[in-house]
Amino acid sequence: DQQVKQNSPSLSVQEGRISILNCDYTNSMFDYFLWYKKYPAEGPTFLISISSIKDKNEDGRFTVFLNKSAKHLSLHIVPSQPGDSAVYFCAAVGSSNTGKLIFGQGTTLQVKP
Amino acid sequence: NAGVTQTPKFRILKIGQSMTLQCAQDMNHNYMYWYRQDPGMGLKLIYYSVGAGITDKGEVPNGYNVSRSTTEDFPLRLELAAPSQTSVYFCASRADTEAFFGQGTRLTVV
Repeated sequence: DQQVKQNSPSLSVQEGRISILNCDYTNSMFDYFLWYKKYPAEGPTFLISISSIKDKNEDGRFTVFLNKSAKHLSLHIVPSQPGDSAVYFCAAVGSSNTGKLIFGQGTTLQVKP
Repeated sequence: NAGVTQTPKFRILKIGQSMTLQCAQDMNHNYMYWYRQDPGMGLKLIYYSVGAGITDKGEVPNGYNVSRSTTEDFPLRLELAAPSQTSVYFCASRADTEAFFGQGTRLTVV
């Protein structure tokens, strides 16, 4: 049972345009959500997070939106740059007393110059 | 600070052999995790720990064991290696929000 789902395996956008990566989840008890970026042969690196009590969080070119009623979150990257090309994972943290951290399948973003 | 350190970086095992993947963190984080990533796939949680002496199964625990005798260390044990355990293994630690990952261990079972 996949609790965190990224249904788009890949996304290609032009440099300077917006990239929108989507993520759905099934467990309404998740406390907060995170986005990670991963390059080949490296460990994932943290990008941005959002608490379940918020609906938006911004950090520079990255904005995460959370729609709790739809159990959906998205990561917006504006403007997209070629260096953003990587695999992006969304992840969810269970309620505080479990600590479980579950990842989606990932979306490969390609930003074309 | 070194962050999260995984050893070894690469290993080839024969079917039926055993090994321990080491993970150490120097950030005094309570939470630690082991994931595996198969080619073209996401990160699957194997085991996790919420503190020293406490471990719990993740999504794909079969064929693995862990221990957490100290806050710093969280080794992952493979007792009877199988080809299905060929993967890249990542260890992570977390205090409150974001988790920090090691560089991974690429394991091949032949």
